[in-house]
Amino acid sequence: NAGVTQTPKFQVLKTGQSMTLQCAQDMNHNSMYWYRQDPGMGLRLIYYSASEGTTDKGEVPNGYNVSRLNKREFSLRLESAAPSQTSVYFCASLTGTGNTGELFFGEGSRLTVL
Amino acid sequence: GQQLNQSPQSMFIQEGEDVSMNCTSSSIFNTWLWYKQDPGEGPVLLIALYKAGELTSNGRLTAQFGITRKDSFLNISASIPSDVGIYFCAGPPVAGNNRKLIWGLGTSLAVNP
Repeated sequence: NAGVTQTPKFQVLKTGQSMTLQCAQDMNHNSMYWYRQDPGMGLRLIYYSASEGTTDKGEVPNGYNVSRLNKREFSLRLESAAPSQTSVYFCASLTGTGNTGELFFGEGSRLTVL
Repeated sequence: GQQLNQSPQSMFIQEGEDVSMNCTSSSIFNTWLWYKQDPGEGPVLLIALYKAGELTSNGRLTAQFGITRKDSFLNISASIPSDVGIYFCAGPPVAGNNRKLIWGLGTSLAVNP
């Protein structure tokens, strides 16, 4: 019963390098999300995908791109990493319809940009 | 962006004590969600509330959906060391995109055995 799986769990990058965070869910959910978590800032939405084939910006999209590869997979790409992108990144998928909004989260990907 | 106001920001209590925390908003919500994040993990849903005035329990946890629909409360009774973590409230906005949850900044709980 995997739920939401994120890879990698840890990554260190140099400024300017690129990388992709992978996320997959096996719960047949339509909506998927990428959040970042920084101390004292709570969870901030980067991008989300309401359904396969659609993506929308969240609160802090600058410096990121996403791809909803299929219903299961939603990836987050940093094209040119900056130290300000050092953070813990969480992928989540949404169950329910309407106002239920029950998110299931992955374990997080801890990214450090030097 | 819009946020929910959670208080207190942090708590340090003795094992066995009861804990109360709350979440308020200037706008109404139709759903209130309470999540817990253990250290090094992703948040996990504890309790979901869907009706104003609703009181829901999950073991030692009890949450209430405020009658004004602008607040919610979470109580933990007889705290134990594994209650340590960050507790977040969240909810989909009534107006606007209900696929995008609004989040509080969290209440960090430490329990002294």
